[in-house]
Amino acid sequence: EVQLVESGGGLVQPGGSLRLSCEVSGFYFRTYWMSWVRQAPGKGLEWVATINSDGSEINYVDSVRGRFTMSRDNANYLLYLQMDSLRVDDTAEYYCARVDSSTWSGGGDHWGQGTLVTVSS
Amino acid sequence: QSVLTQPPSVSGAPGQRVPISCTGSSSNLGANYDVQWYQQLPGTGPKLLIYGNRHRPSGVPDRFSGSKSGTSASLAITGLQADDEGDYYCQSFDSRLGGWVFGGGTKLTVL
Repeated sequence: EVQLVESGGGLVQPGGSLRLSCEVSGFYFRTYWMSWVRQAPGKGLEWVATINSDGSEINYVDSVRGRFTMSRDNANYLLYLQMDSLRVDDTAEYYCARVDSSTWSGGGDHWGQGTLVTVSS
Repeated sequence: QSVLTQPPSVSGAPGQRVPISCTGSSSNLGANYDVQWYQQLPGTGPKLLIYGNRHRPSGVPDRFSGSKSGTSASLAITGLQADDEGDYYCQSFDSRLGGWVFGGGTKLTVL
């Protein structure tokens, strides 16, 4: 069974940092592209970033580029999102998703349950 | 303001059919990128309902169907059931933005 479990969320002050993790199981992680998607409270879904299977290529939404860094550890089936210079508008539930094809345009065929990041003073 | 446009809400009685529209532009749906549809029930992560415009993952009932034409796509739900209540999102890729784009979501209410 495919499983994705996010962790690392919490309360952080503006300007602070957090590192989110996504532990995956049930599939051969190193062959799949992965994405992070977030959802602000009461709002819709927003794509954050996508990484290719070996971690050599990453795309970010403009609002996080230069502040967030996505990475992966294929040996340990882990996906990361390092979030620096956090802003109040980064407050959201963060989901990791498996991309259903090895292209930037593939969709998310499996999703985690999310981890909540709250940026507030 | 979402890149893809969906109606904020739709409703229908049990057993009825409801369509949910998704409108894009020349840099996403009109550029021949596929549309995916997700269901999000309260307190849960999104679940893939339709991929590649019209294909259902295993386990998704055939009451859910998708279509796409030009810059528009549609999700149809037939035989509406109470546990279909939730939020539905369309998603595609946008060549100008270089990543996924979503509709604003449609809240389905079963009357």
